[in-house]
Amino acid sequence: GAVVSQHPSWVICKSGTSVKIECRSLDFQATTMFWYRQFPKQSLMLMATSNEGSKATYEQGVEKDKFLINHASLTLSTLTVTSAHPEDSSFYICSARDRGGWNTGELFFGEGSRLTVL
Amino acid sequence: DAKTTQPTSMDCAEGRAANLPCNHSTISGNEYVYWYRQIHSQGPQYIIHGLKNNETNEMASLIITEDRKSSTLILPHATLRDTAVYYCIVRRLITGTASKLTFGTGTRLQVTL
Repeated sequence: GAVVSQHPSWVICKSGTSVKIECRSLDFQATTMFWYRQFPKQSLMLMATSNEGSKATYEQGVEKDKFLINHASLTLSTLTVTSAHPEDSSFYICSARDRGGWNTGELFFGEGSRLTVL
Repeated sequence: DAKTTQPTSMDCAEGRAANLPCNHSTISGNEYVYWYRQIHSQGPQYIIHGLKNNETNEMASLIITEDRKSSTLILPHATLRDTAVYYCIVRRLITGTASKLTFGTGTRLQVTL
């Protein structure tokens, strides 16, 4: 299947700093990517939909000024957690769908990025 | 998208078939059933999906009841590496678009020796 890569896999930062997480589709082009967040022992919660060349669409309750999303190319979306606080510590996962090829509808997920804010 | 109901957890002996049920009684005619799994500390992995016919691939089989109100994911010969949380998701498939996936709580499958 298609490969989606995230970087970094894990990051530790101090409270008040900003952290950028990258999501890349390695062997396909993705017009749309999705960003999820997962707290321990909980399910994945959709944060936002990232659209190439346009503004991201955020889910209710997600602060767009705190979680900045940029989707500047068909293979890269970035999530920046601004002024991170300990409550932002979580597992962040991106997913993407191959815009070309056979339309089977499945989304491919990255390996996830674990953020710990001290 | 229709909601789904899955058991919280299940156990399965290695080598045996694992049958994971999912109820989706409010499913609409244009909604597909998708299965994903998430191994601890990894991103979800696509397994299989179907509309109304039974489906099989190299990973699993998907059995959908005739009324489409429930389905069963079958792992024919479970191994320890199949220990994961399995998510049953119902969603519309719109050609040319990437519709989002909404995850429920899933079933935690524990495969034991």
